[in-house]
Amino acid sequence: GQNIDQPTEMTATEGAIVQINCTYQTSGFNGLFWYQQHAGEAPTFLSYNVLDGLEEKGRFSSFLSRSKGYSYLLLKELQMKDSASYLCAGLDSNYQLIWGAGTKLIIKP
Amino acid sequence: IAGITQAPTSQILAAGRRMTLRCTQDMRHNAMYWYRQDLGLGLRLIHYSNTAGTTGKGEVPDGYSVSRANTDDFPLTLASAVPSQTSVYFCASSERDSTDTQYFGPGTRLTVL
Repeated sequence: GQNIDQPTEMTATEGAIVQINCTYQTSGFNGLFWYQQHAGEAPTFLSYNVLDGLEEKGRFSSFLSRSKGYSYLLLKELQMKDSASYLCAGLDSNYQLIWGAGTKLIIKP
Repeated sequence: IAGITQAPTSQILAAGRRMTLRCTQDMRHNAMYWYRQDLGLGLRLIHYSNTAGTTGKGEVPDGYSVSRANTDDFPLTLASAVPSQTSVYFCASSERDSTDTQYFGPGTRLTVL
């Protein structure tokens, strides 16, 4: 079966760095997305990786290892507004997105 | 309008009733999607449309139907609502297909009693 695994909840301190991991098992693979979702709001796009390696966008970076079925989202210089759920989603061979349940990130002052 | 809108924002519905959730986008995106989001579960795709006039079934299509008469609108209909359809429903669109960024509407919170 197809599966996306990510931790349910993480806590970090304002100003620190946090890494949110995601492992995936999909039938075929056509890329991996990260979305951010604040409580009560819609998901918004953060990143898309289809090739191995690290992609950096300001304070956020996303890494992909296709051979290991693994990705992570790295958030630097954490701010209180980064408190949200982070959703990992893999694109399978039929180009359908398989979503993880999301990681709730709690930022403490 | 800028982006993607959904209506209603929330609704309480008696079991057995028919309900249509509306979704409109003004970005001229070809692809549109309907998801449901339940606590502790990932977003699950109900139906999708790659272009006006075509629709497809997602992971959890039973009890739901969609139509795509034009580019902008993608309504989701529950023919006879059941309590297990209580959820938050998100509509999304992307420019061409699922390899593109998906833009989500604000969601509809539906409670079926």
